[in-house]
Amino acid sequence: AQKVTQAQTEISVVEKEDVTLDCVYETRDTTYYLFWYKQPPSGELVFLIRRNSFDEQNEISGRYSWNFQKSTSSFNFTITASQVVDSAVYFCALSNWGGSEKLVFGKGTKLTVNP
Amino acid sequence: GAVVSQHPSWVICKSGTSVKIECRSLDFQATTMFWYRQFPKQSLMLMATSNEGSKATYEQGVEKDKFLINHASLTLSTLTVTSAHPEDSSFYICSASSGTGNQPQHFGDGTRLSIL
Repeated sequence: AQKVTQAQTEISVVEKEDVTLDCVYETRDTTYYLFWYKQPPSGELVFLIRRNSFDEQNEISGRYSWNFQKSTSSFNFTITASQVVDSAVYFCALSNWGGSEKLVFGKGTKLTVNP
Repeated sequence: GAVVSQHPSWVICKSGTSVKIECRSLDFQATTMFWYRQFPKQSLMLMATSNEGSKATYEQGVEKDKFLINHASLTLSTLTVTSAHPEDSSFYICSASSGTGNQPQHFGDGTRLSIL
């Protein structure tokens, strides 16, 4: 069975601090995809990244970066120089193929960035 | 980018009412649509998977007769909550996939359902 664990329920930081959101996953599949989504208070899900199991390269997109380590089954997400607009619930998710299969979500981490 | 429209965004109704939620893929053909439910401060849980032209596959614990899913076309899936009760109050989100395997699912903006 697939499982995603986000051990951090809530994180609170002050603006401009760096923050890392942890994600640990479990799967028996050799091919799988990992995702991060942002859910602001308005409720919609904002897609941030998809990474397949064959690509362990770290990725950077502006202030966002992701660290994928198969050895520890982790896919952590770092926000550099956080801003108030980053305040949201962030979900890590796993699917077994192409993102067209059902997603298994972690419980989410609520990030609050204070001014 | 791909757009999925979900309607209504918010609905409040009396207990015993049936409520229909629509999920439309606006600029691509969605061979597969997923329906998720999210209770306050909780994660998203998959309710069912629907493929165009066939019966939906429900996750364990989800009542088929209560949550009717129809996916009659490649651009539209509907979720009907029949005889809704207060415990059905939740945030329902759909997602759509073209089934190519190369593109991630595209999510609608969700529907907040409140049953009085």
